[in-house]
Amino acid sequence: NAGVTQTPKFQVLKTGQSMTLQCAQDMNHNSMYWYRQDPGMGLRLIYYSASEGTTDKGEVPNGYNVSRLNKREFSLRLESAAPSQTSVYFCASTPVGSGSYEQYFGPGTRLTVT
Amino acid sequence: EDQVTQSPEALRLQEGESSSLNCSYTVSGLRGLFWYRQDPGKGPEFLFTLYSAGEEKEKERLKATLTKKESFLHITAPKPEDSATYLCAVYTGGGNKLTFGTGTQLKVEL
Repeated sequence: NAGVTQTPKFQVLKTGQSMTLQCAQDMNHNSMYWYRQDPGMGLRLIYYSASEGTTDKGEVPNGYNVSRLNKREFSLRLESAAPSQTSVYFCASTPVGSGSYEQYFGPGTRLTVT
Repeated sequence: EDQVTQSPEALRLQEGESSSLNCSYTVSGLRGLFWYRQDPGKGPEFLFTLYSAGEEKEKERLKATLTKKESFLHITAPKPEDSATYLCAVYTGGGNKLTFGTGTQLKVEL
């Protein structure tokens, strides 16, 4: 049971390049989330998927797109990377429906845009 | 809009010196408050969920408590391995979204 996995762990992009961050969970959780974490800003929600087949914007969605590929996988795409998107990105999931709402996080992707 | 404020921003303790971290919140209807631990270069690790005022949860040297306006994370006789950033988050329903505070960075020295 690996929990929440993310790939890649590190990435350096040039301004204007695109990339997709991958996230998968093996806990049969319904809801999945993408956050970014910046110094002094805390964790900010980018997009979330309450269940398979649905996605919704969070607090800071501009410049990002997401795909809930199936119940296990939720990807985050940067179409044209900007230096302001330099951050650490975390994926999380939660077992909605069980009465629990705590989220379980992956190890993160450290992205630098030059 | 839900707001979560954690204090202090940073705390330095000597080994064995007990203290408390604070998480104050302003929300429309609290359905759960969560504490996480985050080590450098890692993702947040879930510690506790508290659902109602008066509730307490314990794990090793950590004890979390909840009132109607704030939560405390009490650390008793801390050890250097307790050094980490501790995050607080609230859940009020609607999309199963959590609102996080910016964390307290704890350093425990020998």
